Amino acid sequence: DIQMTQSPSSLSASVGDRVTITCRAGQSISRYLNWYQLKPGKAPKLLINAASSLQGGVPSRFSGSGTGTDFTLIISSLQPEDFAIYSCQQSFSIPHTFGPGTKVEIK
Amino acid sequence: EVHLVESGGGLVKPGGSLRLSCAASGFTFSSNSMNWVRQAPGKGLEWVSSISSTSTYIYYSDSAKGRFTISRDNAKDSVYLQMNSLRAEDTAVYYCARERVVVAGTALDYWGQGTLVTVSS
Repeated sequence: DIQMTQSPSSLSASVGDRVTITCRAGQSISRYLNWYQLKPGKAPKLLINAASSLQGGVPSRFSGSGTGTDFTLIISSLQPEDFAIYSCQQSFSIPHTFGPGTKVEIK
Repeated sequence: EVHLVESGGGLVKPGGSLRLSCAASGFTFSSNSMNWVRQAPGKGLEWVSSISSTSTYIYYSDSAKGRFTISRDNAKDSVYLQMNSLRAEDTAVYYCARERVVVAGTALDYWGQGTLVTVSS
């Protein structure tokens, strides 16, 4: 199984801040990497697929990059509705493992 | 609009069984693979199982293998997860999610709200 790790596990930020979240795969996964946003009581939301393709309807302040083993999710200007948990997932091989998540909290 | 609605969760004793259902609408259900993903309290997401559009390809996580069975009924636009020999560590919110082929691999582009399964005596 491919292990996914994320850093940091949590962060505190203010509205308007630039936020960077890192995801690392235990082996090369090319660009087979997705990012999801999780909020309590709501359905998880796909933000980015294939490392850098923005899902339809997702604000352009979200962006993704990376290939191989190291990936990054950037929120260019944090908005109040962005406080949530962010999780990466690899679709390179079964099982399609998720990272442990990064909690973005209000500073 | 795509909708996925899970049902069938609840409280069950260790060793018991439960069958989760997920009713889909708003898209051509028979065209997409479907997945089950769970989130235990205070934990991250864990992929559980997937089934291809015609049920040809079925996959399970190690934790689900031998105890859980995924199935689908394309005539009813529904996917199911039969869970047997349940353990306390199976306690989680279970989500069904639609799988979409993307430029690199696949992604889960629509999710339901989830159904809570609690395994406790």
